[in-house]
This record gives sequence, C-alpha cells and structure tokens, in this order.
Amino acid sequence: GAVVSQHPSWVICKSGTSVKIECRSLDFQATTMFWYRQFPKQSLMLMATSNEGSKATYEQGVEKDKFLINHASLTLSTLTVTSAHPEDSSFYICSARVTGTETQYFGPGTRLLVL
Amino acid sequence: AQSVTQLGSHVSVSEGALVLLRCNYSSSVPPYLFWYVQYPNQGLQLLLKYTSAATLVKGINGFEAEFKKSETSFHLTKPSAHMSDAAEYFCAVSEKGNNRLAFGKGNQVVVIP
Repeated sequence: GAVVSQHPSWVICKSGTSVKIECRSLDFQATTMFWYRQFPKQSLMLMATSNEGSKATYEQGVEKDKFLINHASLTLSTLTVTSAHPEDSSFYICSARVTGTETQYFGPGTRLLVL
Repeated sequence: AQSVTQLGSHVSVSEGALVLLRCNYSSSVPPYLFWYVQYPNQGLQLLLKYTSAATLVKGINGFEAEFKKSETSFHLTKPSAHMSDAAEYFCAVSEKGNNRLAFGKGNQVVVIP
C-alpha cells in the first residue's frame, strides 16, 4: 500500500520548452502532495505544497510562474516547468501525504535534463 | 521552524558490523520523526517513523531508531550491516499541524565487504 508513481522517469528537452511531470497516489487519496528538488549528492529541497482544489503554497525563492502546480484530484498533482533552462536540470521528487496522518510517501523521481 | 542535523556525510561500515546513523532535531513542539532510505536514481523509501507512540521504533530491513526527548535525538541503528544497506539515509522532522518535512543533509552509507 501507499504507492506513489511519477511520470516520466526521465525527460530530456530543449531550452525554452515546457515539461510536465505527473505525480499519482495509486492506492490512497492524498489531499496534500509535495514537490521537491534534489541536486546531486544533496538533500531534498521543498519547492511547494500542493493542496487538492486550491492554489499551491510555494517556498521562499521558488518562482510560482516558472513551476506551475496543479492538484486537480485527490490522486494526481502535476508540476510544469515552464520555459526550461539548463539550470532547471535536476531530480524532481514528489510525495503524497496520507490524509489524516503525518506520513509522506515518495515517488521514484523524475530526472530532467535541459539542453 | 523545525530542523534536523545529520553529521558525517559519508559513513563506512564493515559487513556484519553495527550501523549507527545519528540524527538530532530541533522543534518547538513535539515532533514527528522519520528515517528514509534512497537508492541511486530512486525516490525515498520510508524506513520507520516516530509519531508519539513507543519511543523505540522498529522499521523495515532490520533497522530501528529510538526517540530520546532529553537528547533531542532519533538515531538509526542496525545490528549487522548487509551489502544491500549501501544507500543514502535521510532523517526528517515535521510538527503536528505542519505538513512540511525538514530533511537532514543525509548520510551516504558504504558497506565494506
């Protein structure tokens, strides 16, 4: 139980294009999902908190117009990196919180490479 | 705001020896504490969690951790290291009513045959 999937697992794109990453909770409902970014050999940095049916809450320093988050259902949140640039290349990981608990379950991550 | 300190980015342990990863937290209210493991190019897998029940928590793969309020610690241990334990380990803290997880910098565990 408590499985979270992400799609795609890998994406390579040209600079200036937009990339959408999906995060799904497969066997539970998640009113809250989180998006993290991880640089090589570093810890996870929280980018934003995604709440179903409402606007996401972004961490300080994260551009909300660049990293668009949509949480349209209790099992799906999407992160769109708009006009991607090479500095956006990173490992993006989502997590979903089981409603009514404090536990987050993590997806397998999406590696983005912007050329 | 809550925070976590993990010292020593790389930890080497011999196969069969004790694994000990230290985690100290800072929180203004009673915390929830977690240990996650990350294998290369993968997401995080929950090893165990403390959510105000028993202070000694047993997790998967033979790991356990003990919550010590007086020491603000939540150290992770495993009696006998296995080669498959080689991975990155993250300690994390959250507070009741605050969904956000704060992660430590992680420990890269290397198991020496």
